[in-house]
Amino acid sequence: GQQVMQIPQYQHVQEGEDFTTYCNSSTTLSNIQWYKQRPGGHPVFLIQLVKSGEVKKQKRLTFQFGEAKKNSSLHITATQTTDVGTYFCAGERDNYGQNFVFGPGTRLSVLP
Amino acid sequence: EPEVTQTPSHQVTQMGQEVILRCVPISNHLYFYWYRQILGQKVEFLVSFYNNEISEKSEIFDDQFSVERPDGSNFTLKIRSTKLEDSAMYFCAIPQLAGGSNEQFFGPGTRLTVL
Repeated sequence: GQQVMQIPQYQHVQEGEDFTTYCNSSTTLSNIQWYKQRPGGHPVFLIQLVKSGEVKKQKRLTFQFGEAKKNSSLHITATQTTDVGTYFCAGERDNYGQNFVFGPGTRLSVLP
Repeated sequence: EPEVTQTPSHQVTQMGQEVILRCVPISNHLYFYWYRQILGQKVEFLVSFYNNEISEKSEIFDDQFSVERPDGSNFTLKIRSTKLEDSAMYFCAIPQLAGGSNEQFFGPGTRLTVL
């Protein structure tokens, strides 16, 4: 079946440093979504990427979808303590309807 | 943004007992998902439900699980005979098309503890 992988599993950064998490799917995706989950909270939608090579920005967050639509990345510039949480990618399979497979997540810690 | 509530927030049960978890979208939705998240692990898809029928289900969603829309608004996830490994957070999610994105709004979750 489809697998979605993320690296790194954990990342500890000093406040102000940049952070990147990478997401890879074993199969081509129709689209990919990114979610943030704060400790003890529920996943919160951040963005959806649909087009090959698409790049979207949300303030300090930059999301990219690979040309082959099998990988994606999330980059945070100048991290803040409010960025703490686990970042999940979720890939929707090609032509399989609305079934998202979540990656294992990258847990980000930001040290003040 | 659609609002989703889930009840109970925490359920403690004995192994072998049945549990019913509820999801209540504030506005009328025909499509919803159930996900499971074992503590510290990833979010796992269980089932999608559209217009009173299961649309898709994962390997996790075996005969012990069932979903219903008993009264036209609430959505329920039933686990017939709970096992220790069923202990997890259970989230329902409502998809909504917004600005071209098919984003999912997650409820706050129910923490299920099986003893």
